[in-house]
Amino acid sequence: QVQLVQSGAEVKKPGASVKVACKASGYTFRNYGIAWVRQAPGQGLECLGWINVYNGNKKYAQHLQDRVTMTTDTSTSTAYLELGSLRSDDTAVYYCARAVPVRGVWGGMDGWGQGTTVTVSS
Amino acid sequence: EIVMTQSPATLSVSPGERATLSCRASQSVSSDLAWYQQKPGQTPRLLIYGASTRPAGVPGRFSGSGSGTDFALTISGLQSEDFAIYYCQQYNNWPWTFGLGTKVEIK
Repeated sequence: QVQLVQSGAEVKKPGASVKVACKASGYTFRNYGIAWVRQAPGQGLECLGWINVYNGNKKYAQHLQDRVTMTTDTSTSTAYLELGSLRSDDTAVYYCARAVPVRGVWGGMDGWGQGTTVTVSS
Repeated sequence: EIVMTQSPATLSVSPGERATLSCRASQSVSSDLAWYQQKPGQTPRLLIYGASTRPAGVPGRFSGSGSGTDFALTISGLQSEDFAIYYCQQYNNWPWTFGLGTKVEIK
């Protein structure tokens, strides 16, 4: 079955960068996308971006465009999220999720990683 | 950006009763809508995609309806494990956006 296993919790100082890994198994990695979603403490869900693993096309949330990079390594079925110039309001749980096409439209997320807590604090 | 508005914010329901959750989009999203369930301390779980399709393994008491701008998630015969927060999400336009959630609590 679909399994996404994320790297461990991170504590960073403001201005630093963080890189979160998401290793996929149980399916053909190249046939799907990987989305990244975060959830600030006590808050709802925010989609940061997604990457089509097959062709490498990416979409980022506009307000993060200059700070975020999403990549994949198909040799290890691993996706990465890198977020730079961290601020305190980046403190959140970061999830990777498998993005699937529904009637030709990408966007359902049918498998989720366990989440990585990123804390930004001086 | 498409704004997703969920109502009510909190729904108090007795076990065994039916719950109906609403989700409205600020512009048409066709049927490109998903519902997720999230329990405290857990990962979101996909319940419905394409506005009305259940993935394998999702119980039949969960049903989705609607298209365009107005959608609903109905949970028939609420069970104890259904008390959670439910989010709708549109994927018709980038950025994909979520509603703020409806918390279903025990009455």
